[in-house]
Order: sequence, then structure tokens, then C-alpha cells
Amino acid sequence: GEDVEQSLFLSVREGDSSVINCTYTDSSSTYLYWYKQEPGAGLQLLTYIFSNMDMKQDQRLTVLLNKKDKHLSLRIADTQTGDSAIYFCAERTGSQGNLIFGKGTKLSVKP
Amino acid sequence: DTAVSQTPKYLVTQMGNDKSIKCEQNLGHDTMYWYKQDSKKFLKIMFSYNNKELIINETVPNRFSPKSPDKAHLNLHINSLELGDSAVYFCASSQGQSNSPLHFGNGTRLTVT
Repeated sequence: GEDVEQSLFLSVREGDSSVINCTYTDSSSTYLYWYKQEPGAGLQLLTYIFSNMDMKQDQRLTVLLNKKDKHLSLRIADTQTGDSAIYFCAERTGSQGNLIFGKGTKLSVKP
Repeated sequence: DTAVSQTPKYLVTQMGNDKSIKCEQNLGHDTMYWYKQDSKKFLKIMFSYNNKELIINETVPNRFSPKSPDKAHLNLHINSLELGDSAVYFCASSQGQSNSPLHFGNGTRLTVT
């Protein structure tokens, strides 16, 4: 079956880099996504990567994909207090196209 | 110019009542979804519609009935509300079912007392 796993908590100091990891099971996944949810808010699409790519960079965000190990990571450079949120990894499979979400990683940024 | 809008934002009601949540998207997408986020922040797909046709119906009680009058709207009606229905319900839309990302509304927080 389809499953997406992430660690639940990450704490970093302001200015450090944050790395949030994710593993998924469906090798037919076409796209993999990172969403951000701030307290009391909806899900904001941060970035996504097509399964034939290894890396994607977008300003402070770097996504790395290891398709062999089914491992996805999101690196946030120079983490700020405003980056404190829950980060969800999600895979989109070809079967019905809905997103399968991980349980979310709560990122806490300490000043 | 909100892309995916849901109403109401908050909904507090008593057990046994019937309530509806509305969702509209102005992105021109052809696929819309309902997701449920529980108190532990876990997100699960409930329904998906493509061009007004139901394509995903997860194991959701039949007290939940989605309705898509056109491809820009997907409403969710819930009958005989139960305490366990308390959650945040998110509407989302995408173009197609395989490539483009989902765009989410801001959620409706439903509290059943």
C-alpha cells in the first residue's frame, strides 16, 4: 500500500539549516510535494519535484530525491523564526491522483 | 482573489445536527477534493471529483455526502453529526489527476458538542 513516513519533530536555532526527511513506499509516484502549515492556517504548497529529478533548488529551499531509497528531504537554509510550522511531505501516485500525506514534521526555530 | 475558498471558517454544532460546508475554486481546475485533518494533524483524503464526477470515495461514513454542482464547486453535507466528526476539513483543487499540485483552502474547523 501507499505510505509516507516523516519524523514528527525538529528543533533548530535561528540561522542554522533545517533538514526534514521523508520516506515513501510507492515507486510509481510521479510527483513528490512539500507543504507548509502554520498554526490555524491552511496548507501552503512550498515546492515539488518530479520523480525523474534528483534535486530542485528554490531560494532557501533545496529538495533532494533518492528514488532508489524512496527518500525525500527538504533543506531550509538560514532558518528563520517565521519558518516555524508543520511541514508535510506528500506523494502523488498515478492510480487515482490524490495526495498521500505524511504525518507532518513540526519545525521549531529557537532564537 | 482567493483561489480556493471555503465557508464557513468555523462551525460549532450539536450532535445529531446536519451541516454543510461549501467550497469554491476560481483557478479553472477540473478536479476537487475534500481532506480531513484530525486533532493530531493527520490528513486523509475523503472524496475527489473530476469534472463533477466522483472518482475517489474513501471509507467515509455515508452520513457524509459530497455534491459538485459544477466543476468550480464541491460542497460537503454531513448528516447526524457525531463527536468524532470534529476536525478541520480542507477543500483542494488541481488541474487533472496526475501532475499538477493541489491547492488548498484555509480549512473549516468543525466542532461537534
